[in-house]
Amino acid sequence: DQQVKQNSPSLSVQEGRISILNCDYTNSMFDYFLWYKKYPAEGPTFLISISSIKDKNEDGRFTVFLNKSAKHLSLHIVPSQPGDSAVYFCAAYIIQGAQKLVFGQGTRLTINP
Amino acid sequence: EPEVTQTPSHQVTQMGQEVILRCVPISNHLYFYWYRQILGQKVEFLVSFYNNEISEKSEIFDDQFSVERPDGSNFTLKIRSTKLEDSAMYFCASSGPVGQNTEAFFGQGTRLTVV
Repeated sequence: DQQVKQNSPSLSVQEGRISILNCDYTNSMFDYFLWYKKYPAEGPTFLISISSIKDKNEDGRFTVFLNKSAKHLSLHIVPSQPGDSAVYFCAAYIIQGAQKLVFGQGTRLTINP
Repeated sequence: EPEVTQTPSHQVTQMGQEVILRCVPISNHLYFYWYRQILGQKVEFLVSFYNNEISEKSEIFDDQFSVERPDGSNFTLKIRSTKLEDSAMYFCASSGPVGQNTEAFFGQGTRLTVV
């Protein structure tokens, strides 16, 4: 039961352009969403989050958009830099009690110089 | 900056042996978690721990698994009798109270290889 889905396993973007990573979810009970970045042999690193009461959250080059009616969120990175090359995971949880994160499958982002 | 630390970074064990993976969560966090990632697959939730007891566990977390917070700083995951399919990266994470700092911070992981 894939409650959080990232349908693009990989994405290649030119340096300086915008990277858009997409995520869909099926569980309408989710009320908090996060993006994590992961390098090989390292743990996921938190990037940015958004509560379900918002539709946009921005932090520097990173912006997350949430469309609750479509059960869709996206991460925009602009401008993209070579150091952004990593696997990006979308995750979600239900705020009551423990943060049981449900992860998507990840999207491998490659930034080309 | 505070971080979650895990030891060892890599553990090789024979099938049927017991392993203990260790974690030191961020000191003022209240929730502790174990996740795992089998090579090439997504990160999967195993268990959450709050107030010295398991608050939620997944179907993966069967009787072979246990968690413990033996003192004020360590959080351990024990696999009693390892199987080949337990080979994975195991990540410990911690987070603050609900509604505050609601991001879970992850350790670097322990690569468990069962042979």
